[in-house]
Amino acid sequence: AQSVAQPEDQVNVAEGNPLTVKCTYSVSGNPYLFWYVQYPNRGLQFLLKYITGDNLVKGSYGFEAEFNKSQTSFHLKKPSALVSDSALYFCAVRDGGFKTIFGAGTRLFVKA
Amino acid sequence: NAGVTQTPKFQVLKTGQSMTLQCAQDMNHNSMYWYRQDPGMGLRLIYYSASEGTTDKGEVPNGYNVSRLNKREFSLRLESAAPSQTSVYFCASSLGTSGGSDTQYFGPGTRLTVL
Repeated sequence: AQSVAQPEDQVNVAEGNPLTVKCTYSVSGNPYLFWYVQYPNRGLQFLLKYITGDNLVKGSYGFEAEFNKSQTSFHLKKPSALVSDSALYFCAVRDGGFKTIFGAGTRLFVKA
Repeated sequence: NAGVTQTPKFQVLKTGQSMTLQCAQDMNHNSMYWYRQDPGMGLRLIYYSASEGTTDKGEVPNGYNVSRLNKREFSLRLESAAPSQTSVYFCASSLGTSGGSDTQYFGPGTRLTVL
């Protein structure tokens, strides 16, 4: 069965510092991995996805994620955090079909 | 280009009442989805439609029905609402017909409270 874990409910970082939001997954077969961001009272917005190939995926708003097959992880990163990055971040996995499993979400607070 | 739209934005129901949540997309996408979001649980798939004329159960389908009215519209119906269905409901769409690496685009959500 597919599963996604986001081990941190909340991540706090100072503006200008690098940020990491962690995600680990379990899936049979090759995974498709996604990161979405949700701002208050809004729907989810796509940030980036891993399909195959290069383990470092670059996405919107300066975010990137590193796929690590041996550790079954897909951590979201940004070199320099902005206050406007404060939001709820979701990691999601698919094994090739339609059923997407989302993590519980990690709330990111960026302090000025 | 409005993307994915949902109506209503908010709704309060009494236990046992019925209602239909509406969703429409203008991106000519083939697949559409309904999710519910509960605190601390992420999003869970209720139903999806891979193409016009087809629907399939997701992770939590009990208590819901769906209709893919045409390529643009996908509605979610609660026949007899229960307090456990209090949640935020999101509709999403994606271009392809086989899921996989397809990116989903989400609507703004409907906040439903069942008393």
